[in-house]
Amino acid sequence: SYELTQPPSVSASPGQTASITCSGDQLGNKYICWYQQKPGQSPVLVIYQDTKRPSGIPERFSGSNSGNTATLTISGTQAMDEADYYCQAWDSNTAGVFGGGTKLSVL
Amino acid sequence: EVQLVESGGGLVQPGGSLRLSCAASEFTLSGYEMNWVRQAPGRGLEWVSYISTTGTTRNYADSVEGRFTISRDNAKNSLYLQMNNLSAEDTAVYYCVREKRYFVWSHAFDLWGQGTMVIVSP
Repeated sequence: SYELTQPPSVSASPGQTASITCSGDQLGNKYICWYQQKPGQSPVLVIYQDTKRPSGIPERFSGSNSGNTATLTISGTQAMDEADYYCQAWDSNTAGVFGGGTKLSVL
Repeated sequence: EVQLVESGGGLVQPGGSLRLSCAASEFTLSGYEMNWVRQAPGRGLEWVSYISTTGTTRNYADSVEGRFTISRDNAKNSLYLQMNNLSAEDTAVYYCVREKRYFVWSHAFDLWGQGTMVIVSP
């Protein structure tokens, strides 16, 4: 089965840029999504189709995907962005797969 | 408000069964593919199962294949997950998740329920 790998944790200072990576075999050939999950809450979609933001997601969230690595970038990180982030792709057209998650700390 | 509301979670003994339900509000479930995703305490997200809009196609994670059955009743705007032969490893919050398809190979889990907790313990 397909596997996605994320770093367990990433930190950033307020106002700085945070980058969270997600790696997988030929990941650039798949579309990837990113989800934000705050403690005690359900996940929220923040990026789909590699680079697109759903309505209501701030412009500081952006994504890229090439080769074996996808990246979620948060520009001008804010305290409210502190959360767990999960990348997600499809192993087949009907089977999802998630990365292990990355805890973003805003210090 | 557009939302998904799960129910049916609880405490069950190992080897037991449980049926989760998910009710859709303010949108028509029949227009969407649906999934179940779970999260064990302190752990990450795990995709569990998928069902097509008509129920014709179903798919399962290897960890639940043969024990769990996903189904839907579009007339009742509801999704279900029948879980049999449960073990401690199935203890998790179970989320009902809507899948939005933008085109054939572009889709995303765009709406999540609040989750329902399943605890498998003697």
